[in-house]
Amino acid sequence: GENVEQHPSTLSVQEGDSAVIKCTYSDSASNYFPWYKQELGKRPQLIIDIRSNVGEKKDQRIAVTLNKTAKHFSLHITETQPEDSAVYFCAARTHGGSQGNLIFGKGTKLSVKP
Amino acid sequence: EPEVTQTPSHQVTQMGQEVILRCVPISNHLYFYWYRQILGQKVEFLVSFYNNEISEKSEIFDDQFSVERPDGSNFTLKIRSTKLEDSAMYFCASSTTGNPSYEQYFGPGTRLTVT
Repeated sequence: GENVEQHPSTLSVQEGDSAVIKCTYSDSASNYFPWYKQELGKRPQLIIDIRSNVGEKKDQRIAVTLNKTAKHFSLHITETQPEDSAVYFCAARTHGGSQGNLIFGKGTKLSVKP
Repeated sequence: EPEVTQTPSHQVTQMGQEVILRCVPISNHLYFYWYRQILGQKVEFLVSFYNNEISEKSEIFDDQFSVERPDGSNFTLKIRSTKLEDSAMYFCASSTTGNPSYEQYFGPGTRLTVT
């Protein structure tokens, strides 16, 4: 089955700096890669996603890149702010059924220091 | 904006007891999921459900677990005989049908504590 690896497990940056989180996946048939932000004690919230027919997607300060050949995708946050502090999870969508489930990475705890 | 809701927010139960966790997916969604997250760990897939039957399930979803859509709005997860290791946050999620919408919307979670 699909396996998603995520690095780093913790990341500390100064406010205004950029943050990059990387994930790799094992199943070349996976075709959907969302990123979720989870604040302490709250539900995971989708912040950006990318499909396998696209190499890059940007939404204001957040961007995601996908390299299908290498089977890795990355989250880039520019001009980080303290409110970006949270745990970020990458995920890959497997096949199966009518709408596949998500396999998550282990998460990256991002701390943005003012 | 419509949201997935879950009840209760926190459930404490004794080992061996049955628990039912309840979810109300977004009303026009047709795909439903349960995930769990043990404290400090990643979110893990349990089961997906479509058209009144299980689409996929993980190794975690053994015979102690079952899901049901008892009416047009609720989606439940039952654990027949809880174990200590079932203690976790359980998230329900739902999504619409068809491409290109794959987004899964998560509920706020139910924290299950087994003592």
